[in-house]
Amino acid sequence: GDSVTQTEGQVALSEEDFLTIHCNYSASGYPTLFWYVQYPGEGPQLLFRASRDKEKGSSRGFEATYDKGTTSFHLRKASVQESDSAVYYCALSDRATGGNNKLTFGQGTVLSVIP
Amino acid sequence: GPKVLQIPSHQIIDMGQMVTLNCDPVSNHLYFYWYKQILGQQMEFLVNFYNGKVMEKSKLFKDQFSVERPDGSYFTLKIQPTALEDSAVYFCASSRRDWGGVDTQYFGPGTRLLVL
Repeated sequence: GDSVTQTEGQVALSEEDFLTIHCNYSASGYPTLFWYVQYPGEGPQLLFRASRDKEKGSSRGFEATYDKGTTSFHLRKASVQESDSAVYYCALSDRATGGNNKLTFGQGTVLSVIP
Repeated sequence: GPKVLQIPSHQIIDMGQMVTLNCDPVSNHLYFYWYKQILGQQMEFLVNFYNGKVMEKSKLFKDQFSVERPDGSYFTLKIQPTALEDSAVYFCASSRRDWGGVDTQYFGPGTRLLVL
């Protein structure tokens, strides 16, 4: 079945540091890829998505590029702020399942940014 | 952005009792989902629902689980009877359409269920 792997379980950075969270996926079809962010007491909210190879998604200074060759969708931000502290989820929806929109999530990465 | 509401936010019940989790989806959305997240584990798909029917369910969606949305009211997840392993956070989500493409799912804040 489909799967998503996030390498980092927890990341601690100082403000203005560079962020990378690695995401690799395995899917039978041509999936749509997502990054969601979850703040305490809230549900996950969409950061951005990408549907095609080499497509770049971006929002609020975060970005990721769909790479079909390496089956990756790594999240990056050049300069993090304390307000970016949250849990980040990589997820996929596999179009090969006939338009079924179920999401497969990674394990989540807890980002803590120290002022 | 669009808001999905979930009621209650927390629920504690004894094993074997019935529980109903309520979700108020975004008003013009047609597709509804439940996900389960056990503490410290990843969020996992349970079921999706469209036009009064279950479209797909995972192996986590046991026979004791049921979903419905009577007359456009709350989208509910009912567990009867509950078991200890049902303790988790349950997230509801909704999306506008499922037209062979992929639409964005909007999530509620979750219901934290503790079965004693």
